[in-house]
Amino acid sequence: NAGVTQTPKFQVLKTGQSMTLQCAQDMNHNSMYWYRQDPGMGLRLIYYSASEGTTDKGEVPNGYNVSRLNKREFSLRLESAAPSQTSVYFCASMGRDRYTDTQYFGPGTRLTVL
Amino acid sequence: DAKTTQPPSMDCAEGRAANLPCNHSTISGNEYVYWYRQIHSQGPQYIIHGLKNNETNEMASLIITEDRKSSTLILPHATLRDTAVYYCIVNRAGSARQLTFGSGTQLTVLP
Repeated sequence: NAGVTQTPKFQVLKTGQSMTLQCAQDMNHNSMYWYRQDPGMGLRLIYYSASEGTTDKGEVPNGYNVSRLNKREFSLRLESAAPSQTSVYFCASMGRDRYTDTQYFGPGTRLTVL
Repeated sequence: DAKTTQPPSMDCAEGRAANLPCNHSTISGNEYVYWYRQIHSQGPQYIIHGLKNNETNEMASLIITEDRKSSTLILPHATLRDTAVYYCIVNRAGSARQLTFGSGTQLTVLP
């Protein structure tokens, strides 16, 4: 039981390049999330997926797209990377834990855009 | 969701109990209190949550006041590895609820 896994752990891109961040969970959770965290700041929600086949925008969706490939996997795509997207990206899934919902986070992807 | 207020930083001696306070005076009846921590840019780690009763698990205890306007996270025997930013979050139960992370409390455990 690995929980929430993310790949890659680190990535350096040039401005304008594209890439996809991968996230998978093995806890059979319905809801999954993508957050970003800038240095010294809290987490901000980019997109979330309440269930397989649905996605919704969060607080900072511009410049990103997502795909909920199946119940396990939720990917985040940067079509044309910009320096402002330099950040640490965290994926999370949410499931029932002792009568209420609890989010569990992956280890993060550290992205630098030059 | 209700807003939370936490002290920006606290120190604790290794082996002693760390008591981290949180104010959530506007909490609603169906909102839970969650605690997470983040160790040096790792993914946030869930610690504990509660509604109105005190809770304990293998990591910590959560004490919620009777009026639910404040709570305290207790790490009974702090170690150096407990040095982290601790976040108190109030959230309604239900699916697809975004967690709103504030600035948290930087806990430093001193040898």
